[in-house]
Amino acid sequence: QSALTQPASVSGSPGQSITISCTGTSSDVGSYNLVSWYQQHPGKAPKLMIYEVSKRPSGVSNRFSGSKSGNTASLTISGLQAEDEADYYCCSYAGSRGVFGGGTKLTVL
Amino acid sequence: EVQLVESGGVVVQPGGSLRLSCAASGFTFDDYTMHWVRQAPGKGLEWVSLISWDGGSTYYADSVKGRFTISRDNSKNSLYLQMNSLRTEDTALYYCAKDRSRMEYSYELDYWGQGTLVTVSS
Repeated sequence: QSALTQPASVSGSPGQSITISCTGTSSDVGSYNLVSWYQQHPGKAPKLMIYEVSKRPSGVSNRFSGSKSGNTASLTISGLQAEDEADYYCCSYAGSRGVFGGGTKLTVL
Repeated sequence: EVQLVESGGVVVQPGGSLRLSCAASGFTFDDYTMHWVRQAPGKGLEWVSLISWDGGSTYYADSVKGRFTISRDNSKNSLYLQMNSLRTEDTALYYCAKDRSRMEYSYELDYWGQGTLVTVSS
């Protein structure tokens, strides 16, 4: 069961936009619109930021958006803020299992 | 307010057994699929197992299949993970998490507990 592929790290300056990619296969990301994204600050539990590829839970800033093309999903954060510095994980439905990405550390310069 | 509170994490020797618990409140527990997700120290998230809202379906990651058993008691609003034949690589913070979809499973987890630490070491 291979993890989804994410870049290990990304960075951006306050106010800029960044995009984190999440590449899977035709057995997971490519076949289902059940891709979610999680934000995790150090020592804290993960927080759901995006579900069903592009939907935001109540209370999540509209600076966070999601999309998908083929086997790759993406999370975009616009207007970067210092509080966005965290680890980000994607996750996909894959039938009888769930699969997470390896995680991406976002640094706000 | 949704709350998930895990317990049961301890230090255990390789080959040993352990049972984790998760007490849920603030939502209709028996309407939702529940999951266990783990995170090894300094590592990423790994999905471990799910159990459907009625306990009728269970799924496991290959890494724990045949060793771990997920269960639930809807009368007690509680989720469990029985862990047998523990290995050093099972050392992790174990999170209990609620599936977002009612009476389905989407692997989209909208509420998480704070985790309970399992350390497998001699």
